[in-house]
Amino acid sequence: EAGVAQSPRYKIIEKRQSVAFWCNPISGHATLYWYQQILGQGPKLLIQFQNNGVVDDSQLPKDRFSAERLKGVDSTLKIQPAKLEDSAVYLCASSLRRGGGGYNEQFFGPGTRLTVL
Amino acid sequence: AQSVTQLGSHVSVSEGALVLLRCNYSSSVPPYLFWYVQYPNQGLQLLLKYTSAATLVKGINGFEAEFKKSETSFHLTKPSAHMSDAAEYFCAVSMSDSSYKLIFGSGTRLLVRP
Repeated sequence: EAGVAQSPRYKIIEKRQSVAFWCNPISGHATLYWYQQILGQGPKLLIQFQNNGVVDDSQLPKDRFSAERLKGVDSTLKIQPAKLEDSAVYLCASSLRRGGGGYNEQFFGPGTRLTVL
Repeated sequence: AQSVTQLGSHVSVSEGALVLLRCNYSSSVPPYLFWYVQYPNQGLQLLLKYTSAATLVKGINGFEAEFKKSETSFHLTKPSAHMSDAAEYFCAVSMSDSSYKLIFGSGTRLLVRP
């Protein structure tokens, strides 16, 4: 079974530029998560989708970050314009359905490492 | 509000020695608790989880953790460290509201000396 795919793996941009990350979850997984992992910290949830609807985006800086999950499969996370403090690894995860319990394990992709200069 | 505290950002052990990574949680309701491992340039992999069944949970690669409600702890242990265990380890608690989102600790980097 293929895992969660993310691209690109690495991205370097200058501040005020825009950037987009792509995630393809495990086939059949209804729930998709985007996390931000700043160096030296644990991942922090940015947004959670259930199929193509947003469940939780309370931690998403909506003035510059946006995300969509068209057709309830792939998802794109965009930052526009980027700031220096956006330098982080952006992790995508998916689960069969909403929940973190025994039957709803979150499977993580390898992440996209963003450097903002 | 739920939170997780991992004591020690770095832990160093000799190969063959006991591994003990500490995690304390704060939750107003019975939590779901998890340990994840992250190898360099990779995503997170689930080591083990506690979901209100047995308090001693066994995971992959010889790791186990014990849920202690009285101490609000969920420490990760392994009897004998191997060089391949060197990685970053994250403890997480699952929110008990309808989102079930994961709240992660800040991580502990395990170094294994030959």
